Amino acid sequence: GENVEQHPSTLSVQEGDSAVIKCTYSDSASNYFPWYKQELGKRPQLIIDIRSNVGEKKDQRIAVTLNKTAKHFSLHITETQPEDSAVYFCAAPLTGFQKLVFGTGTRLLVSP
Amino acid sequence: NAGVTQTPKFQVLKTGQSMTLQCAQDMNHEYMSWYRQDPGMGLRLIHYSVGAGITDQGEVPNGYNVSRSTTEDFPLRLLSAAPSQTSVYFCASSRAGTLGEQYFGPGTRLTVT
Repeated sequence: GENVEQHPSTLSVQEGDSAVIKCTYSDSASNYFPWYKQELGKRPQLIIDIRSNVGEKKDQRIAVTLNKTAKHFSLHITETQPEDSAVYFCAAPLTGFQKLVFGTGTRLLVSP
Repeated sequence: NAGVTQTPKFQVLKTGQSMTLQCAQDMNHEYMSWYRQDPGMGLRLIHYSVGAGITDQGEVPNGYNVSRSTTEDFPLRLLSAAPSQTSVYFCASSRAGTLGEQYFGPGTRLTVT
C-alpha cells in the first residue's frame, strides 16, 4: 500500500556530531517531501522541505537530499546541539496529493 | 492570528461514551485534517477535508466522524469511545496546493477507560 518508511526509530549522538535520518516512499507521483520536528509535549512543526525538481536543499545546519529514482529522501543535521533533541517526522503526499502520510518518526537525542 | 486551536486539551471518557473534539483555524485554509499520534506509530490520518462541505477518509477512519460546514471549523466526533482510541489527537490545516506545509494545533490528549 501507500506508505512512508522511516529509519532509524531512535538515534543518539554526541553534541557536534552529524545525524542522518532516512525515509522511503511508495508513490512515484509524490513531488514534495516535508520534514517536521516535534519537541516533547509540543505540536509538530515544519522545519524544511524539498521538491522533486531538486536533489538537495540546505538551511543553515539542516539539509535534505532526494533520490527520486530510488524513492528515498534524507534529513541531515550537522554540528548537532542539545536543542536538536526531538522527534523528527518525514512525510509525502499520496493519493492525488490529498493525503499527507507521515513516517513513524525518529527520536533524536543529542548528549552534551 | 490564533492559528489552529483545539479544545479540550485533555479528556477522559468511559467506554461507550461519545464526544466531539473541536478544531478551528483563522488562516482561511482550505485543507484541514485530523491525525492521531500513538507511540511508535507516528501520525496517522483519520479524516481530511479539502474545503467546506467536502470530507474524506484517511488511514484510520473507523469509529470517527467529521463534518465541515464552514471553512474555519472541523470537529471530530467519537461515536462510541473504546480504549483503543486512547491517543493524542492533532488537527492541522494548510492552504490548497500546499499540503506539506501543515500547521498543527496543540493537540488533545484523550484517555478512554
